[in-house]
Amino acid sequence: QITLKESGPTLVKPTQTLTLTCTFSGFSLTTSGVGVGWIRQPPGKALEWLAVIHWNDDEHHNPSLKTRVTITKDTSKNEVVLTLTNMDPVDTATYYCSHRRVGGGLDYWGQGTLVTVSS
Amino acid sequence: DIQMTQSPSTLSASVGDRVTITCRASQSFSSWLAWYQQKPGEAPKLLIYKASSLESGVPSRFSGSGSETEFTLTISSLQPDDFATYYCQQYGAYPWTFGQGTKVEIK
Repeated sequence: QITLKESGPTLVKPTQTLTLTCTFSGFSLTTSGVGVGWIRQPPGKALEWLAVIHWNDDEHHNPSLKTRVTITKDTSKNEVVLTLTNMDPVDTATYYCSHRRVGGGLDYWGQGTLVTVSS
Repeated sequence: DIQMTQSPSTLSASVGDRVTITCRASQSFSSWLAWYQQKPGEAPKLLIYKASSLESGVPSRFSGSGSETEFTLTISSLQPDDFATYYCQQYGAYPWTFGQGTKVEIK
């Protein structure tokens, strides 16, 4: 049974760095074809893909975030960490991590964590 | 970036109706397209991947079709549990992109 759970601060101040951890179970991030992605959703708005990291360390992020976003994995801990620098109120959103299945599609999602950016 | 445009943005329908949602891409990316259902306060749920493959456990009233730049999600007979917001997502090219969503409401 695959599960994922996001953890991290619920409130950050403008200009601070957000660090979110996705802790997962039921799969290994060393399995060929598998990845973990991060997606966010501002209140009342659409989904926005942020980044993905794959079993072979191949990683991609949304260029709209420029150099603000970093994604890393620790396969020994079954964790994927998303870092987003220079937070702004427009970054207020629910942040989800998800399992990228072999063949594509995000088939398992965490419950999401609401991060509010406010001074 | 590949822009995904869904239509309509909102759809009013009755239980038993056949419902079709369209997703158009700004450029071709083959069939690497997924559809998700999201209910308020919940994470999205994968319905369809690779444009037409039904995710395990998803009712057969959901189907997907299309390729290149035009894709559709069809619900053959709308059920009460289907009132939700639906998103398409392309994963054929980075950055992955989502449509803006289609909200299916009770008529």
